[in-house]
Amino acid sequence: DAKTTQPTSMDCAEGRAANLPCNHSTISGNEYVYWYRQIHSQGPQYIIHGLKNNETNEMASLIITEDRKSSTLILPHATLRDTAVYYCIVRVGNDYKLSFGAGTTVTVRA
Amino acid sequence: GAVVSQHPSWVICKSGTSVKIECRSLDFQATTMFWYRQFPKQSLMLMATSNEGSKATYEQGVEKDKFLINHASLTLSTLTVTSAHPEDSSFYICTRTRSSTDTQYFGPGTRLTVL
Repeated sequence: DAKTTQPTSMDCAEGRAANLPCNHSTISGNEYVYWYRQIHSQGPQYIIHGLKNNETNEMASLIITEDRKSSTLILPHATLRDTAVYYCIVRVGNDYKLSFGAGTTVTVRA
Repeated sequence: GAVVSQHPSWVICKSGTSVKIECRSLDFQATTMFWYRQFPKQSLMLMATSNEGSKATYEQGVEKDKFLINHASLTLSTLTVTSAHPEDSSFYICTRTRSSTDTQYFGPGTRLTVL
């Protein structure tokens, strides 16, 4: 799987949009970008995934650059409950395995 | 609602005892289940892949005789930590899938503390 690079940590203000970047410069054509988050002492929670088109669901939006070498997860209106570690993972379409990196620790402040 | 459950959610045991953790797929019959562990302040590491009706596949560095995995049905996989020691204290998390294109949803995790 392609490796990903994420900032170690970031703060954001409650009610504002949170933009979480991820670099995956060695991504292959058949690799998807997945985002999960892990709130303290819980199992990871699936957020969103995409291949090359931008995606949106009730939790977030995923913006993937045209060359697919980077992506941004957008939490449109961050709340205190969004404080968590966010993981960006690239996964081959026909491979089960998810390789977790260190992720980005996001702290939402009132 | 939750689609993967784990039991127990936490367990404390004495060194040298064995502990069994259950992982259940609640929404579909899962041909494959995965076990991860997470040490404090670290990321998740895949331990093993469990296929229904066959032997589990372990990642490098994971002792198969210490971490026994049984996937006897399509909705249940168990992880038994045998002769547990304090260094086995960790957060154990499972997930399941039925095809390579499934989005994986994780269980809530089991916190194991070995005294």
